[in-house]
Amino acid sequence: EPEVTQTPSHQVTQMGQEVILRCVPISNHLYFYWYRQILGQKVEFLVSFYNNEISEKSEIFDDQFSVERPDGSNFTLKIRSTKLEDSAMYFCASQILTGELFFGEGSRLTVL
Amino acid sequence: AQSVTQLGSHVSVSEGALVLLRCNYSSSVPPYLFWYVQYPNQGLQLLLKYTSAATLVKGINGFEAEFKKSETSFHLTKPSAHMSDAAEYFCAVKKSSGDKLTFGTGTRLAVRP
Repeated sequence: EPEVTQTPSHQVTQMGQEVILRCVPISNHLYFYWYRQILGQKVEFLVSFYNNEISEKSEIFDDQFSVERPDGSNFTLKIRSTKLEDSAMYFCASQILTGELFFGEGSRLTVL
Repeated sequence: AQSVTQLGSHVSVSEGALVLLRCNYSSSVPPYLFWYVQYPNQGLQLLLKYTSAATLVKGINGFEAEFKKSETSFHLTKPSAHMSDAAEYFCAVKKSSGDKLTFGTGTRLAVRP
């Protein structure tokens, strides 16, 4: 069964460093998303991406964040200069037209 | 804006007992509603979805949910809890197929032997 894959599963970084989280969505899907979940808290929307551009972003998704789909398969989330409060589990998701999102297993980011 | 409220951050039931996890939604248009489950240290797995077809929706692992417009509810039920059902359950809403998904705060289900 097709699935969304994310790498790395866990990344530890120093505050101020750049981080890139990678996702390979399901191949025929059209909408792509990043969500995050701070430990013990709710799952929060960061950004949605459709037709090679951002379709919506939350207030969390500030200038330190960016997304791109460089080669038609990978979908990346970049955090330019990480802060302690960026420590969270980051989930990638993709969707065809039927409404449900398919999520990856997540990338745990720890900022020291 | 769409939102969901999950009553009860923690629910504990005995093995074999009825599971009832509550979700109420707020939406300006007929919503798409979902239940996702998250097992420890894992991603989010779709349990079931409502997209304006049948109001009683059956999902995986014996779970089902009923859309009640008059009560703006979409509660999740399972007749008989199993130990393997212990997980975090999230209700979620979107206003259209291409819209973002908005999650509730989650309900952690514990199952006692």
